[in-house]
Amino acid sequence: EAGVTQSPTHLIKTRGQQATLRCSPISGHTSVYWYQQALGLGLQFLLWYDEGEERNRGNFPPRFSGRQFPNYSSELNVNALELEDSALYLCASSLGGWVTEAFFGQGTRLTVV
Amino acid sequence: AQTVTQSQPEMSVQEAETVTLSCTYDTSESDYYLFWYKQPPSRQMILVIRQEAYKQQNATENRFSVNFQKAAKSFSLKISDSQLGDAAMYFCAYRSNSGGSNYKLTFGKGTLLTVNP
Repeated sequence: EAGVTQSPTHLIKTRGQQATLRCSPISGHTSVYWYQQALGLGLQFLLWYDEGEERNRGNFPPRFSGRQFPNYSSELNVNALELEDSALYLCASSLGGWVTEAFFGQGTRLTVV
Repeated sequence: AQTVTQSQPEMSVQEAETVTLSCTYDTSESDYYLFWYKQPPSRQMILVIRQEAYKQQNATENRFSVNFQKAAKSFSLKISDSQLGDAAMYFCAYRSNSGGSNYKLTFGKGTLLTVNP
């Protein structure tokens, strides 16, 4: 069974540009979570989608946005990129929000230059 | 808001020895889960062990065990018979079980574990 897959693995963008990161959850999982892992800051919760709806949002500016598609895959969009957005972005999926175990992908390393 | 604190940025252990990683958390809730995740150089987060707050018995998974002190809000991870493959960043995490929009993980900043041969 395929795990959580994220694409691309690496992404280099210029300040001010937009970045789109993609996540495919494990088959049957309806919940997708996005986390930002910046150097020295641990993992910060970004967004939670379940059944196509945004359920919760972390303390990030509105230029961080996303969506979940009918097949439960998800996209994270970051507009007007800033240097501080450089980080590893991790996606996790679970059977549903109430399920305690979430499975993580290998992340997208975003570098803003 | 809940917070998770890992006070040891780095730890090292000799192969076959035992090491304990510390974690404290702050919450006003009574129903929650605590986790230890491992992140090796491959970057993929792997669940090591999980503890439900209502269970008094400490969770154990093979060489990994926890010391859960609910009153002290402490949740340490003990790794016995350390192996080279245990070398990784370890994250302590909290998840509310109160429902609604609270199903997210709150992580500590991590402890980098080095295993010396």
